Amino acid sequence: SQTIHQWPATLVQPVGSPLSLECTVEGTSNPNLYWYRQAAGRGLQLLFYSVGIGQISSEVPQNLSASRPQDRQFILSSKKLLLSDSGFYLCAWSNRGSSSYNSPLHFGNGTRLTVT
Amino acid sequence: AQSVAQPEDQVNVAEGNPLTVKCTYSVSGNPYLFWYVQYPNRGLQFLLKYITGDNLVKGSYGFEAEFNKSQTSFHLKKPSALVSDSALYFCAVSYNSGAGSYQLTFGKGTKLSVIP
Repeated sequence: SQTIHQWPATLVQPVGSPLSLECTVEGTSNPNLYWYRQAAGRGLQLLFYSVGIGQISSEVPQNLSASRPQDRQFILSSKKLLLSDSGFYLCAWSNRGSSSYNSPLHFGNGTRLTVT
Repeated sequence: AQSVAQPEDQVNVAEGNPLTVKCTYSVSGNPYLFWYVQYPNRGLQFLLKYITGDNLVKGSYGFEAEFNKSQTSFHLKKPSALVSDSALYFCAVSYNSGAGSYQLTFGKGTKLSVIP
């Protein structure tokens, strides 16, 4: 069965420090991968998605970046964190291909980031 | 452009009573609709989806949803609420973001509280 791992679960970082959040998927090949941010326990904001290795699409301009060095690995990074980067970050995957329109997203358990 | 509206920030229901969480959508073309549930400090879990066919869709944990094309609605329902159903519920619609890639637009979420 497919599983998605996301770590760390919680993170407290000072303003101006770098960030690296990692997400890996097991049990599936060629997934679409996503990074979402959830602020104040509510709405979801799509940050990045990827349809393949090295292919990253950004939805919202900001000081975050994403990379996909391997098929089932997705990394969210920042060189210098801002206070406004605090939030709950969720990684997700879905099936790629002709059925992608009806393929549900499968989420990791998230990373709660607090920038102090 | 596609959009999803969840008109209620919070829904309170007594244990054992039927529950309804409302969702309306706007999308060009065929709607592909989803419901997700989120428990505190966890990722979203897929509950059910509507792609085509029967307007009443059954999903996980005894939930079902009714697709109504004329009212552009996709309300989530359960005949008898459990305290353990208390969580945040998200409605979402799938849309074509280009080059064969599909994304989800999420509603803002509805907090369901089931009172013992």
